[in-house]
Formats: sequence, structure tokens, C-alpha cells
Amino acid sequence: QKEVEQNSGPLSVPEGAIASLNCTYSDRGSQSFFWYRQYSGKSPELIMFIYSNGDKEDGRFTAQLNKASQYVSLLIRDSQPSDSATYLCAVMNSGYSTLTFGKGTMLLVSP
Amino acid sequence: DADVTQTPRNRITKTGKRIMLECSQTKGHDRMYWYRQDPGLGLQLIYYSFDVKDINKGEISDGYSVSRQAQAKFSLSLESAIPNQTALYFCATSDSGGPSDTQYFGPGTRLTVL
Repeated sequence: QKEVEQNSGPLSVPEGAIASLNCTYSDRGSQSFFWYRQYSGKSPELIMFIYSNGDKEDGRFTAQLNKASQYVSLLIRDSQPSDSATYLCAVMNSGYSTLTFGKGTMLLVSP
Repeated sequence: DADVTQTPRNRITKTGKRIMLECSQTKGHDRMYWYRQDPGLGLQLIYYSFDVKDINKGEISDGYSVSRQAQAKFSLSLESAIPNQTALYFCATSDSGGPSDTQYFGPGTRLTVL
């Protein structure tokens, strides 16, 4: 059973702070990792993906991957109230077939 | 216009009824997926299709069936709806695989089974 674990939260940060969201996965053969943002009652939207060890930056977002530790994280710099949402970590299964999603971490950014 | 559309957006039905949820996409993607989402349980894969002739069960396919009518259309059916199928259902599409194969989601269908 492939598992993707996320802390359900809520993670509360003040506006302007850095939010750090974490995800661990069980399938050592996984190659690609995705972060989605989901507002309540809405569909998931892709933030970014990463498949090489290290950091990948896109605007205020940085994804970090450590395959040896089976750990992926998302940093959000200068957090805004509009970033308040649930963040879903998704792991692409071996063979580039389907995604396994974590249950998501709720982020609350207070003004 | 949205790239991935789902109909209906909301549906209330009764136990035992047959219901079909439809998904259409204009992205030209080969791969299509159906998920359900329950509060606190994340997204669970029901069925997926990598092309018109390819249908695969996901982790929670019992009680569901699908039809891939064309590259752009993928329908999900509940043959005899039961209350624990009350959930938010999402259709998604992706291109043809590889490490950056990103899934794009439709707006969702909120289904209530009484």
C-alpha cells in the first residue's frame, strides 16, 4: 500500500511569514512529486512539481525534495491571507502512471 | 471556456438510483481520471483511462463503472447509489506520461445520496 503522509494541520502563520508544509512517502521508487492547492469546495490547482533532489523555486514557492529520506516539502515565502487553503502533496507512482495523494495540510494565514 | 468540464455540478439522488457523472475536456489529453474526495480523506482514485481502449480500476472502484466514449469524454456511473457514496467527485486529465505529467482537474460534482 503506497502511502503519502501529511500533517493535517491547521498550520497557522502570520501574514508575511514563511509557511513550511511537509510530506513523506512510502514508495521508494517514486520519481515525481506534486504540490496542489485546494480552496474549500473547489478543485485542486497545481502549484509546482519536482523530480530532482534539491530545491526548485517558482516565485514565492520553493519545493524541496530528499529522495533518500523520502521527504518533500513546500515553502511559501511572504505568506498572504489568500494563501489560506489546503495543500495536497501527490506522489507519482512507479512507471509514471497514477498519483497517490496525501490527505492535505490546511494552512491559515492571519492578517 | 474551461478546459475540463463536469456535469452536473450538484446532484441529489435517492438510494438505489442509477446516476451518471460526465466529464469532457478540450485539452487534447489522452489520460483521464475519476476521483472522489471525502472530508479529511484526501483524493481517492476510482478509475483511470490512458486512452479510449484502456480502462483501469483505481483503489476504490467497487460500486462504480466508467465509460470512455471518446478521447474527450469519460463518464462515471453509480449503478445503485448508496448513502456512503455521498462525496465530491473530480475528473482530471493529463498528457501522455513522463515525470512532469501534470493532472488538471475539473470543477467537481457534489453528489448527495439520501
